[in-house]
Amino acid sequence: TQLLEQSPQFLSIQEGENLTVYCNSSSVFSSLQWYRQEPGEGPVLLVTVVTGGEVKKLKRLTFQFGDARKDSSLHITAAQPGDTGLYLCAGAKHSNYQLIWGAGTKLIIKP
Amino acid sequence: GAGVSQSPSNKVTEKGKDVELRCDPISGHTALYWYRQRLGQGLEFLIYFQGNSAPDKSGLPSDRFSAERTGESVSTLTIQRTQQEDSAVYLCASSVQGFSNEKLFFGSGTQLSVL
Repeated sequence: TQLLEQSPQFLSIQEGENLTVYCNSSSVFSSLQWYRQEPGEGPVLLVTVVTGGEVKKLKRLTFQFGDARKDSSLHITAAQPGDTGLYLCAGAKHSNYQLIWGAGTKLIIKP
Repeated sequence: GAGVSQSPSNKVTEKGKDVELRCDPISGHTALYWYRQRLGQGLEFLIYFQGNSAPDKSGLPSDRFSAERTGESVSTLTIQRTQQEDSAVYLCASSVQGFSNEKLFFGSGTQLSVL
């Protein structure tokens, strides 16, 4: 069974603080996606990382793909209440159309 | 349409009843996925359709679950003889070709409550 483990499962911090969430596996992925899901909505893609060691920035969000393509992290700088949501990572393999999903990190940013 | 549309958005049913959930994917998207999401959890794969190929039904949890797709358009997920453990959000997603590294476009889901 291929697993993607996300940590922490839950994080509640004050507006303005920085945070990092992790997505780890023992498997190698061809690419990895990060989605954010708000209550009552479906997940929305934030970024896809493809190359080992790749770093992508999306405003205050920084995504990194591990050198071995087994893990990824999401760092948020100066978190805002609008960042609140469930962050899901999903790993892809060339040989399969299915994504392997993590269980998510529920993030709450308090004003 | 502009996005993936799911209906109904909420469904409350009694244990033992059948329910039918509908998904309208983005026009032109050949791949369609159904997922189940329990409260506060990640996504559980149910079934995958790609063009005219045989669907991958490997994620369906029991024979009470079935799904159909008409060509590359509408899909319906049917749950027969619903049980309380079926209560969850059922999400539909579509993508252009169904490659694993493609962006998935999700609907807002159907919240199913079995009493």
